[in-house]
Amino acid sequence: EAQVTQNPRYLITVTGKKLTVTCSQNMNHEYMSWYRQDPGLGLRQIYYSMNVEVTDKGDVPEGYKVSRKEKRNFPLILESPSPNQTSLYFCATGTGGSEKLFFGSGTQLSVL
Amino acid sequence: RKEVEQDPGPFNVPEGATVAFNCTYSNSASQSFFWYRQDCRKEPKLLMSVYSSGNEDGRFTAQLNRASQYISLLIRDSKLSDSATYLCVVSTGGFKTIFGAGTRLFVKA
Repeated sequence: EAQVTQNPRYLITVTGKKLTVTCSQNMNHEYMSWYRQDPGLGLRQIYYSMNVEVTDKGDVPEGYKVSRKEKRNFPLILESPSPNQTSLYFCATGTGGSEKLFFGSGTQLSVL
Repeated sequence: RKEVEQDPGPFNVPEGATVAFNCTYSNSASQSFFWYRQDCRKEPKLLMSVYSSGNEDGRFTAQLNRASQYISLLIRDSKLSDSATYLCVVSTGGFKTIFGAGTRLFVKA
């Protein structure tokens, strides 16, 4: 079954404590991306990757890091989380040109 | 001005009603257009792509007006299960995808 697996589903942490949200896909897609969703703002792109070892900033990259060492995995790293990073995060994959996106089930992050 | 703008709603309609959503975009170089559906706090899922000639999928019809830079979604014979948030999505090609904030729809019995 084609899947985008995102973990954890819920995460509560404290300011400054490094965390990683994992994203894995079994669809052999080259394109992967991270979004955050906040009320009234819609989904905003954080980082995206067109292929292994290729990553680019989206609209709101500050405070985040990513890596793409393998095609299937695209973790999102918060080195020093802050309360303004409290949000609902989605990982997505797609074929070339992001024509159709497949999303993970989301991670609700709360930074206290 | 937001790159993609939608009326947030909510739209409250009875079962069987026809409802229409519009979405405007600011970048005239936009190439691809989509409607996604999102249930509360869940992942967005592609509802349909939008083509210049207009396209239909069952009770759903999507249209694109490039001259006026807006796209629309029409839902006929609304069902309770259509209650969700509808996201307008615009791509400028490559890997740049802009999401609207969404329009909430409630269909009542």
